[in-house]
Amino acid sequence: DGGITQSPKYLFRKEGQNVTLSCEQNLNHDAMYWYRQDPGQGLRLIYYSQIVNDFQKGDIAEGYSVSREKKESFPLTVTSAQKNPTAFYLCASSIVTRAYSNQPQHFGDGTRLSIL
Amino acid sequence: GESVGLHLPTLSVQEGDNSIINCAYSNSASDYFIWYKQESGKGPQFIIDIRSNMDKRQGQRVTVLLNKTVKHLSLQIAATQPGDSAVYFCAEKTGEGKLIFGAGTRLAVHP
Repeated sequence: DGGITQSPKYLFRKEGQNVTLSCEQNLNHDAMYWYRQDPGQGLRLIYYSQIVNDFQKGDIAEGYSVSREKKESFPLTVTSAQKNPTAFYLCASSIVTRAYSNQPQHFGDGTRLSIL
Repeated sequence: GESVGLHLPTLSVQEGDNSIINCAYSNSASDYFIWYKQESGKGPQFIIDIRSNMDKRQGQRVTVLLNKTVKHLSLQIAATQPGDSAVYFCAEKTGEGKLIFGAGTRLAVHP
């Protein structure tokens, strides 16, 4: 079945450590996104990428980094500079037919990151 | 346990009743709207979408209504079932192409 796979499901970070969250999709979608979800809040955009080897900062990019070397993969690194990393991280993808295309984003099942 | 649904408004309904979940959006230039369902410990699941040139769209057991005059969106679920229990949230796409997500409403279905 086509879909978005996030791993691991649970991740623990020590002080000063960088951790990388994996996101893989086999939907042949051009665009991929990373969101952060905190209790009682709407999703907040961290980074997004509309094409391989290109990505843009979202609303809360500080303390995070991404790469987009392959169409299928969009890993997110939570760096030690992110002082409040505990959250549920969601990866999404969508078709891009043209600018501001009206297509829904489809989500993976998330990674829950906690601090040790 | 998962805490994404804490501090959200809750709608409690009896099994078999119809549910109406409301969403106020912020940007009058938004032209596309999506409803998602999120079960505990999972990612959001696409339910239905609607473009701003429509007032109503129906899917299987779900209907979305859009009132652009008051910037209001609603999701109606017919014959609510226990499996419908989840957090539901709306998203609007602004004129700049950005998606803005609401915090959501928890739907609790009682037998």
